[in-house]
Amino acid sequence: KNQVEQSPQSLIILEGKNCTLQCNYTVSPFSNLRWYKQDTGRGPVSLTIMTFSENTKSNGRYTATLDADTKQSSLHITASQLSDSASYICVVSADHNLFFGTGTRLTVIP
Amino acid sequence: NAGVTQTPKFRILKIGQSMTLQCTQDMNHNYMYWYRQDPGMGLKLIYYSVGAGITDKGEVPNGYNVSRSTTEDFPLRLELAAPSQTSVYFCASSHGVGSSNEKLFFGSGTQLSVL
Repeated sequence: KNQVEQSPQSLIILEGKNCTLQCNYTVSPFSNLRWYKQDTGRGPVSLTIMTFSENTKSNGRYTATLDADTKQSSLHITASQLSDSASYICVVSADHNLFFGTGTRLTVIP
Repeated sequence: NAGVTQTPKFRILKIGQSMTLQCTQDMNHNYMYWYRQDPGMGLKLIYYSVGAGITDKGEVPNGYNVSRSTTEDFPLRLELAAPSQTSVYFCASSHGVGSSNEKLFFGSGTQLSVL
């Protein structure tokens, strides 16, 4: 069964600290893996897209990693800011289908 | 560019009423999608379109209909609203299909409650 699981479900960190969000998937055949940021009351916004051959991709303070062998990905946020408070959604593409994780709710406190 | 625009932002319906959620994009994207997002669940695909005049069912199409008469517009129709359709609805568009590396652009969502 094609599934995308994210952990933790929610996370609270202090402003300026780093954090790492996890994504495990069982989707096949794999096309690409995406991370989205969704602010409260808004639609998801793309952060990174990685193909099978890419194992790291950065977008400013966001760095995504992919291990296609173990079917795991992580999103590392460096020097967190209050504006990083949002849900982060992992999405895996297989053929023409997209499989969405349930997201990690990150709260950054001052 | 406005991107993907959805209206309305909020709506309350009575059981059995009908309504249309509007979605328009100004990026000349061929692919458009409707998703619903329920609390604690990942986004589920309702319908999608690969171009004007072409639509197809997604994972959860029951109770919904769509049309794609132009490249820009992709409205979602609820004919007989049911409480199970209470959700947040997102329209999205992309230049290419999901297996490509094309970004998916989302609208800001429509929060629908059916009472």
